[in-house]
Amino acid sequence: DVKVTQSSRYLVKRTGEKVFLECVQDMDHENMFWYRQDPGLGLRLIYFSYDVKMKEKGDIPEGYSVSREKKERFSLILESASTNQTSMYLCASTPGGGFQPQHFGDGTRLSIL
Amino acid sequence: AQSVTQLDSQVPVFEEAPVELRCNYSSSVSVYLFWYVQYPNQGLQLLLKYLSGSTLVKGINGFEAEFNKSQTSFHLRKPSVHISDTAEYFCAASDTGRRALTFGSGTRLQVQP
Repeated sequence: DVKVTQSSRYLVKRTGEKVFLECVQDMDHENMFWYRQDPGLGLRLIYFSYDVKMKEKGDIPEGYSVSREKKERFSLILESASTNQTSMYLCASTPGGGFQPQHFGDGTRLSIL
Repeated sequence: AQSVTQLDSQVPVFEEAPVELRCNYSSSVSVYLFWYVQYPNQGLQLLLKYLSGSTLVKGINGFEAEFNKSQTSFHLRKPSVHISDTAEYFCAASDTGRRALTFGSGTRLQVQP
């Protein structure tokens, strides 16, 4: 089975901190995604990556950046965390040729105080 | 870009009863459509997808959905639900020429004994 692993299930940080969310997949998928999930809003795409060092902005990239130095790892970075970034963050992956995520991690619930 | 509407935020239903979860998308020449399920404290799982071909799509766990182009709908159905189907269900769509998925706000299915 494909495994998408997010390093933390729960994370609490302070306003202004630089925050790193890590995601690793074990099936050699080319495409990886970061979404945030908020009640009543569904999932919104922050960034996705279609290859090592390649990335594209999603619908809500402001305040975030990403890094993909290795194929299996896709990191989401909050440059200076703010309270409006308190949310559930979901990482996903899919094989090359598909840009619709097939496999999701269990999520990281991030609280910014 | 697509927009996706899930009109029902919650659907309560008794065990072994049929259920339909509604999804409408904005009109487009061509579209890809998806249903995902999220069990408590987990990431999303792909239930089924429509890319082309037959308008009736069968997925996992006995679910099916029908693509209706004239009504721009992709409703999810199951003839007899189980307690274990209690979860949140997300409909998603993308234009075939655009990479990113747009998610609906989700429908919480509550199966009661």
